[in-house]
Amino acid sequence: GENVEQHPSTLSVQEGDSAVIKCTYSDSASNYFPWYKQELGKRPQLIIDIRSNVGEKKDQRIAVTLNKTAKHFSLHITETQPEDSAVYFCAASRAQGGSEKLVFGKGTKLTVNP
Amino acid sequence: NAGVTQTPKFQVLKTGQSMTLQCAQDMNHNSMYWYRQDPGMGLRLIYYSASEGTTDKGEVPNGYNVSRLNKREFSLRLESAAPSQTSVYFCATGTGELFFGEGSRLTVL
Repeated sequence: GENVEQHPSTLSVQEGDSAVIKCTYSDSASNYFPWYKQELGKRPQLIIDIRSNVGEKKDQRIAVTLNKTAKHFSLHITETQPEDSAVYFCAASRAQGGSEKLVFGKGTKLTVNP
Repeated sequence: NAGVTQTPKFQVLKTGQSMTLQCAQDMNHNSMYWYRQDPGMGLRLIYYSASEGTTDKGEVPNGYNVSRLNKREFSLRLESAAPSQTSVYFCATGTGELFFGEGSRLTVL
């Protein structure tokens, strides 16, 4: 089955700096790669996703890049703000019978210091 | 329009007791999922249901059973709870983007 590795497990940056979180996946048939943000005590929420027919996607201060050959994808957050502090999870899946069985990485705790 | 609703939010059990976590969604999605979240382990899929009447195992199904009661409801049952099942449980629904419930914190003593 799919295996998703995520690095680093913790990341501390100064406000205004950039943050990069990297993930690798094992199943070459995976074609959907979302990123979720989970604030303390809250539910995970989707912040950006990318499908395998696209190499890069950007939404304001966040972007995701995908390298299918190397089987890795990354989350980039620019101009970080204290409210970006949270745990971020990458995930991978391939649609199976109408459902997307997401396999998650173990998460990265991002701390943005004011 | 509540999205995904889970009950209970908190539960303490003794080893060997049974309980059922309830989940209901009003988003009209076919797929529903149960995940557990443990510190440093991310979210691990327990069971999922691609449509009403179907269920399938995820990464960590042992010790759990599920029922897809109808399109809206998907329950998770622990028949004989063990301390290793102490966790936060999330129900989710969606195709592509997953929408999660608020979570159920379960402690097994």
